[in-house]
Amino acid sequence: EDQVTQSPEALRLQEGESSSLNCSYTVSGLRGLFWYRQDPGKGPEFLFTLYSAGEEKEKERLKATLTKKESFLHITAPKPEDSATYLCAVRNAGNMLTFGGGTRLMVKP
Amino acid sequence: SAVISQKPSRDICQRGTSLTIQCQVDSQVTMMFWYRQQPGQSLTLIATANQGSEATYESGFVIDKFPISRPNLTFSTLTVSNMSPEDSSIYLCSVANWDAGAFFGQGTRLTVV
Repeated sequence: EDQVTQSPEALRLQEGESSSLNCSYTVSGLRGLFWYRQDPGKGPEFLFTLYSAGEEKEKERLKATLTKKESFLHITAPKPEDSATYLCAVRNAGNMLTFGGGTRLMVKP
Repeated sequence: SAVISQKPSRDICQRGTSLTIQCQVDSQVTMMFWYRQQPGQSLTLIATANQGSEATYESGFVIDKFPISRPNLTFSTLTVSNMSPEDSSIYLCSVANWDAGAFFGQGTRLTVV
């Protein structure tokens, strides 16, 4: 059974304080690892897709990296508008998605 | 990317009643997915809605409780039947996408009192 575990569950940062979110996974035949951002009262919004170990994707203050067992979402010099829940998901060989529990990020000014 | 419109965006319902959630996609898709997100939890797949056939339900979810319709390739409904407070959740409609994993509607926040 595919499993995705995200840590920490919640993270409080001061504005400008860089940090990383972790997504550990086990999956039968990885067909992509996805990061989403979810704001309160809204559906998840796609951020990145990673397909193979060593791959990196970057967008503004966010950078996602992938190894064979985990992915990191690095947040550099975060701003209050980066506050949200960040979800990680993996797609298996059967094209099914499994989501992690999410990390609730709060960035204080 | 797909644009997914979901309604209602939120509702407060009495226990024992039913609520039907609508999902409209701006393009034709073969499969649509319905997820539940309980407070503070991640997304759990309820069922896959296939056009022209019965929905496929995941373990722990049954058709009598969550009947689904899929009348065409752009529309689906999920009904939450005989609601109890434990059904209070966000319900999300989704379509699969190879590059993005999935696109989601804005969700329906359901509170059962």
